Amino acid sequence: EAEVAQSPRYKITEKSQAVAFWCDPISGHATLYWYRQILGQGPELLVQFQDESVVDDSQLPKDRFSAERLKGVDSTLKIQPAELGDSAMYLCASSLEWTSGTYEQYFGPGTRLTVT
Amino acid sequence: GDSVTQMEGPVTLSEEACLTINCTYTATGYPSLFWYVQYPGEGLQLLLKATKADDKGSNKGFEATYRKETTSFHLEKGSVQVSDSAVYFCALSDPRTGTASKLTFGTGTRLQVTL
Repeated sequence: EAEVAQSPRYKITEKSQAVAFWCDPISGHATLYWYRQILGQGPELLVQFQDESVVDDSQLPKDRFSAERLKGVDSTLKIQPAELGDSAMYLCASSLEWTSGTYEQYFGPGTRLTVT
Repeated sequence: GDSVTQMEGPVTLSEEACLTINCTYTATGYPSLFWYVQYPGEGLQLLLKATKADDKGSNKGFEATYRKETTSFHLEKGSVQVSDSAVYFCALSDPRTGTASKLTFGTGTRLQVTL
């Protein structure tokens, strides 16, 4: 069964350093999402891509976060500089076109970031 | 804006007990509703979904019915197992524009099942 791949699974970095996460969605999935999940809370959307275009980045802290999906396939999320409050799980998800009345999102295993 | 409220945990049950996790939502359109499960150290897995009023989603013994009149989507299981121990998230997606839209999640409910 096809899965969303993410790497690394765990990342420890010092504050003010740069960090990057990678996501490879399920083949053929046009829509890709990055969510941030703070411990004890539900995931919140950071950015949504449709192919290579950003559809929604209203919750992305653009002064330090950036995301790209250059060829409309895999994607990179970057934080520079990292702050202590960025410690969280970063989840990538992808979805196909409208099926069965909704868009079903498939999640990767996540990258757990710890900023020290 | 859209929001999801679910009961706080942790919920601790003995094996074979009945489970109900309450979930209510606020949305301006006609959302699709989901339950996701997250096992320790893993990402989210879709457990079940419902796309319109009165639909019942079911999977692995879990059920939830889309109740538009009470804006609810409570998760139920008649007999829980130790392997059901996880965090459960209620979520909605509001496809008003006909394009893929984000999921809005509740805060999650941790379930612990003991022998």
